[in-house]
Amino acid sequence: GNSVTQMEGPVTLSEEAFLTINCTYTATGYPSLFWYVQYPGEGLQLLLKATKADDKGSNKGFEATYRKETTSFHLEKGSVQVSDSAVYFCALSVRYGGSQGNLIFGKGTKLSVKP
Amino acid sequence: ETGVTQTPRHLVMGMTNKKSLKCEQHLGHNAMYWYKQSAKKPLELMFVYSLEERVENNSVPSRFSPECPNSSHLFLHLHTLQPEDSALYLCASSQDWKANSPLHFGNGTRLTVT
Repeated sequence: GNSVTQMEGPVTLSEEAFLTINCTYTATGYPSLFWYVQYPGEGLQLLLKATKADDKGSNKGFEATYRKETTSFHLEKGSVQVSDSAVYFCALSVRYGGSQGNLIFGKGTKLSVKP
Repeated sequence: ETGVTQTPRHLVMGMTNKKSLKCEQHLGHNAMYWYKQSAKKPLELMFVYSLEERVENNSVPSRFSPECPNSSHLFLHLHTLQPEDSALYLCASSQDWKANSPLHFGNGTRLTVT
């Protein structure tokens, strides 16, 4: 079946530290991959996406590369800020031979950035 | 302004009550979704509507009843809920029901069943 596995949180970093949140997936078909972010008291927002192998999604200093060989989509940022504190969700969506697919989410990783 | 508005933000109800959650989207999208977010569990897709027709129902108990009167509005009717139904209920919409069409979420309704 299709599934997403994220590293367990919480992750606590100091401001300007390097961030990596690991995400691996299993999927049939050709998945599209997403990172969503949820700030406190809010719904989820799309952070970035990649729709095929070797694509790199990027937004707000965050990056993730679609690695088919390792079935991974790790999220990285070179220098985190306090305002990046949130819960990050990795997700995939699969189109089954032309039929529709739905998003499958990981459990989320909580990031806390200290000044 | 997320474009997807959910009301109420918080709801406390007893197990014998009947209540409804409301979602409205101003993005011109054709697909709308209900998700359940519980602590330490992945988001669970409950229902999907595409062009006002239900296209997905992921084995959700009948005490949850969705309604989509038009492409801009989605309701979740609740009755005889259980304490384990306490969670954050998120509404989302997307341009269409396709694999790489991103979801736009509302801020959710925090439901507590007593």
